[in-house]
Amino acid sequence: GESVGLHLPTLSVQEGDNSIINCAYSNSASDYFIWYKQESGKGPQFIIDIRSNMDKRQGQRVTVLLNKTVKHLSLQIAATQPGDSAVYFCAVSGGSQGNLIFGKGTKLSVKP
Amino acid sequence: ETGVTQSPTHLIKTRGQQVTLRCSSQSGHNTVSWYQQALGQGPQFIFQYYREEENGRGNFPPRFSGLQFPNYSSELNVNALELDDSALYLCASSASGVSYNEQFFGPGTRLTVL
Repeated sequence: GESVGLHLPTLSVQEGDNSIINCAYSNSASDYFIWYKQESGKGPQFIIDIRSNMDKRQGQRVTVLLNKTVKHLSLQIAATQPGDSAVYFCAVSGGSQGNLIFGKGTKLSVKP
Repeated sequence: ETGVTQSPTHLIKTRGQQVTLRCSSQSGHNTVSWYQQALGQGPQFIFQYYREEENGRGNFPPRFSGLQFPNYSSELNVNALELDDSALYLCASSASGVSYNEQFFGPGTRLTVL
């Protein structure tokens, strides 16, 4: 079945720098990808999604890049702020049932 | 904040007991998915309910069961609790029971099994 992995469990950046969080998936048939942010004591919060017919999508200060050739997904956060400190998960659609398969998460810490 | 609510927020049970967790979906959503999140891990899919029927199930034993009601709210029931069931239980609602639809998560119920 599908598995989702993350390259780095923790990431520490300086306030104002750009952050890049990476994710790898195993199933080349996966067609929907989402990034979630989870703050301590809260449920995952949707950040941005991308479908397999795209390779880049931009939101407010965030960009998701999808490389289907190497089955790699990344989240870029521009001008990282202290409020961005959280655990970030990538999730991949599990198929027709609509379930999501999550990676283990990257904990982003922003130093002031 | 999403419109997904869960109750209770915290719960402490002992091994062998049974527990029921509740979830109210966001307005307009007819699908509820349940996930288990162990400490330091990503959420793992338990099952999904769409129009009151189970629409898919992850790798969880039958003692994990659920219901969805006509108003699309949902319950997760766990029988014969084990220590390893200690986790954050999340529900997520979406507009239909297929992929491509954004899932909105509730704040979760923290279950501790002693």
